[in-house]
Amino acid sequence: SQKIEQNSEALNIQEGKTATLTCNYTNYSPAYLQWYRQDPGRGPVFLLLIRENEKEKRKERLKVTFDTTLKQSLFHITASQPADSATYLCALDPSGGYQKVTFGIGTKLQVIP
Amino acid sequence: NAGVMQNPRHLVRRRGQEARLRCSPMKGHSHVYWYRQLPEEGLKFMVYLQKENIIDESGMPKERFSAEFPKEGPSILRIQQVVRGDSAAYFCASSPDGTGELFFGEGSRLTVL
Repeated sequence: SQKIEQNSEALNIQEGKTATLTCNYTNYSPAYLQWYRQDPGRGPVFLLLIRENEKEKRKERLKVTFDTTLKQSLFHITASQPADSATYLCALDPSGGYQKVTFGIGTKLQVIP
Repeated sequence: NAGVMQNPRHLVRRRGQEARLRCSPMKGHSHVYWYRQLPEEGLKFMVYLQKENIIDESGMPKERFSAEFPKEGPSILRIQQVVRGDSAAYFCASSPDGTGELFFGEGSRLTVL
C-alpha cells in the first residue's frame, strides 16, 4: 500500500544550526512533492514544491531535495530560529489525472534558543 | 484578497445531531478539498470537489458524511448523526486549477459530546 513516512518523533536542535527533516515514500510515483508548515491550532501553510524532474529547490533559508530513486525528500532549514519551531508536513501528489495531495504525519521541530 | 474562510471555527454537537461545516475558497479558486485531522495524526484526505461536481470522495466514510460545492456559495461538509469518533479538526483547502500549492483555512474543530 502507499505510504509516506516522516519521523514522528520531535526533532530538537540548537538555534543557528541546520535542521534536516526526512520524508520517505513507498508505492508512489509522485509528480511533485510539497512541504508545509503547521502551527498548533492553525491550518497548514505551503512552503515549497519540487517536481519529479528537479533535484533541489531553495527559498531563502529553506532547501528541499528530491531523490526519486531513493524515494526520499530532505527538507533543510539553515540558520534555524526559535520561530521555525512548528510541525512540518511532507505531501505527495501522484502523477497523472487530477490532484489528490496526500500528507505525511509530520515532524515536530523545536528550535532551542 | 481574503484567504480560505472556514466557519464555524469551533462546533460542539451532541451524539446524533448534525454538523455543517462551511468553506469559502479563495477568490478565483474553483477546486476545494476537505481533510480531517485527528490529534497526533496526519491530514487525511476526504473529498475533492469542483463547482457543482464531486471529483473524488474516496476518503469520505460511506455513511453519514456528504459534501457539496454549489455554483453559488460555500462548500459544505455535512455530518449527520454525529458520533464521538467524528471529533476532529476539519480543514478545507482550495487551489486555482487543481495543481500545485494548496491554500488552507484555519480549520473547524468539531467536538461531539
